[in-house]
Amino acid sequence: EAQVTQNPRYLITVTGKKLTVTCSQNMNHEYMSWYRQDPGLGLRQIYYSMNVEVTDKGDVPEGYKVSRKEKRNFPLILESPSPNQTSLYFCASSLTSGTSYEQYFGPGTRLTVT
Amino acid sequence: QQQVKQSPQSLIVQKGGIPIINCAYENTAFDYFPWYQQFPGKGPALLIAIRPDVSEKKEGRFTISFNKSAKQFSLHIMDSQPGDSATYFCAASWEGSARQLTFGSGTQLTVLP
Repeated sequence: EAQVTQNPRYLITVTGKKLTVTCSQNMNHEYMSWYRQDPGLGLRQIYYSMNVEVTDKGDVPEGYKVSRKEKRNFPLILESPSPNQTSLYFCASSLTSGTSYEQYFGPGTRLTVT
Repeated sequence: QQQVKQSPQSLIVQKGGIPIINCAYENTAFDYFPWYQQFPGKGPALLIAIRPDVSEKKEGRFTISFNKSAKQFSLHIMDSQPGDSATYFCAASWEGSARQLTFGSGTQLTVLP
């Protein structure tokens, strides 16, 4: 089954404790992206990657890091989480060529930073 | 600066009604306008999309109306059903932005039985 998987689905942590949220896709997509979803703000892009070893900042990159060492994986790293990073996070992937620009989203990771 | 403005924030209709969700954009370079549907506990999923060379696109009960001169587009759901209750996001992208999606703020739709 074609899908984007994220782990963990739920995470409660404390301020300053480094964490990683994993994202993996099995559709051989070049493009991968991380979003955060907050009430009234919609989905805001954190970082994106056009292909292996190619990453770039989105609209809200502060406090986050990413890496793209393999095509299928795109982990999101919070080196020193703060309470304002409490949010619902989504990973997404898509092709970069052709006529369809559909992004496929993972199930989400709900992060709480206390 | 929010480039895609979506309204209303929430919407409640009776079964069979026709909810309409509106979006307005600022960047005239946008050339792809998708709508995503999100059910509770799930990630958003593409529902329907339109390009600016047409004024309307219909897929089943879902229709996008597009007004290029007004820089507005809207989603209409015909004969709405309780199963349509979800959050709907409009979005926009253009080739020069590497096809990154700029999302609206979302509309929570409730269809009462």
